[in-house]
Amino acid sequence: DADVTQTPRNRITKTGKRIMLECSQTKGHDRMYWYRQDPGLGLQLIYYSFDVKDINKGEISDGYSVSRQAQAKFSLSLESAIPNQTALYFCATSDSSGVNYNEQFFGPGTRLTVL
Amino acid sequence: AQSVTQLDSHVSVSEGTPVLLRCNYSSSYSPSLFWYVQHPNKGLQLLLKYTSAATLVKGINGFEAEFKKSETSFHLTKPSAHMSDAAEYFCVVSEDAGNMLTFGGGTRLMVKP
Repeated sequence: DADVTQTPRNRITKTGKRIMLECSQTKGHDRMYWYRQDPGLGLQLIYYSFDVKDINKGEISDGYSVSRQAQAKFSLSLESAIPNQTALYFCATSDSSGVNYNEQFFGPGTRLTVL
Repeated sequence: AQSVTQLDSHVSVSEGTPVLLRCNYSSSYSPSLFWYVQHPNKGLQLLLKYTSAATLVKGINGFEAEFKKSETSFHLTKPSAHMSDAAEYFCVVSEDAGNMLTFGGGTRLMVKP
């Protein structure tokens, strides 16, 4: 969905490096999410934020941190990357009100490889 | 706690034949249920959703799903497969109307000419 953008789209890095993945949205949604996708496991929730001052851990937050810089921006950081964090990462947004309040809109994903 | 099981990791059909992707869920509450599709190198797109209204839900591209509470199932069907339907499909459950999602492992649909 072009309204949710992620940068970079692809990244290769080395073990121990700090990495930041960025997500921006122009939908005006208040809620934002970070997921990782591994083959056969579907998507797993890393962190979520229901507004700028609200940050919550998801199922698999260890080794990750986030920052909600503005309503439209939500960044995911890997402080010291390790190979098992190699995955496809998705950002998503949702609106807590309105017609589509229970639908999440996903960005195109960032493919991260940790060597 | 909520969980989702997609019973087939891969499904292969011929173009023009019916599609059935199976999904069973577990939920302590009245759940919302979703099917998302992921085409290669693309993000996820919502196909359809069930949120306690009609049990037969129609989605985009001719897909539909039926919520069966007694069977805790939400299977996805399409009468006639098209080559463009080849993708990965995710069944998703939410106990809070869609804010916290739990994904199944995915089913890769292959469509043969």
